[in-house]
Amino acid sequence: GQQLNQSPQSMFIQEGEDVSMNCTSSSIFNTWLWYKQDPGEGPVLLIALYKAGELTSNGRLTAQFGITRKDSFLNISASIPSDVGIYFCAGRPAYNTDKLIFGTGTRLQVFP
Amino acid sequence: SQTIHQWPATLVQPVGSPLSLECTVEGTSNPNLYWYRQAAGRGLQLLFYSVGIGQISSEVPQNLSASRPQDRQFILSSKKLLLSDSGFYLCAWSVGQYNIQYFGAGTRLSVL
Repeated sequence: GQQLNQSPQSMFIQEGEDVSMNCTSSSIFNTWLWYKQDPGEGPVLLIALYKAGELTSNGRLTAQFGITRKDSFLNISASIPSDVGIYFCAGRPAYNTDKLIFGTGTRLQVFP
Repeated sequence: SQTIHQWPATLVQPVGSPLSLECTVEGTSNPNLYWYRQAAGRGLQLLFYSVGIGQISSEVPQNLSASRPQDRQFILSSKKLLLSDSGFYLCAWSVGQYNIQYFGAGTRLSVL
């Protein structure tokens, strides 16, 4: 099935550093979502974006819905050890609003 | 508040045996329901989704099937498991126009 292009695939950073990851697609999306998955658990919703150009924050997390509706990015500021996990973007495509298309994931490791 | 339950959490099955995974949602009505599979270290692959009782859309041809016998119950089945069916199975639900999906804790299936 279709997947979004998510980068980077993995990141190894030091505690306190900022993190940036993004997702791109050739299709237009009506909603962008960002999830975090801890090992052995289901993904948990972090941020939801509803319209092009929207910039939304949730604590140290900031995400934006791209103007073209084909991309989104997530920033994490001042990373801490509990930020470790896999981050997934997901988009609700304009051609089928009953589904979400997921990114390939960004694995984040934070070293003290 | 809404909750989603998946069971069992872990399952070890021999090749050729049947499978039944169950997912139930509480606290909402007429949700969209989804089954995903996640291979180790990989992204989420949509298997089936349902927008109503008895309505099943299949995304990937395989030896799995899904059923929705009640509004808030979604079942994933197989008559004969293959080694390639091993993975982490996730159920999710959504309501509303934005299709924001919320995930269960997952079932780790090992086919030996």
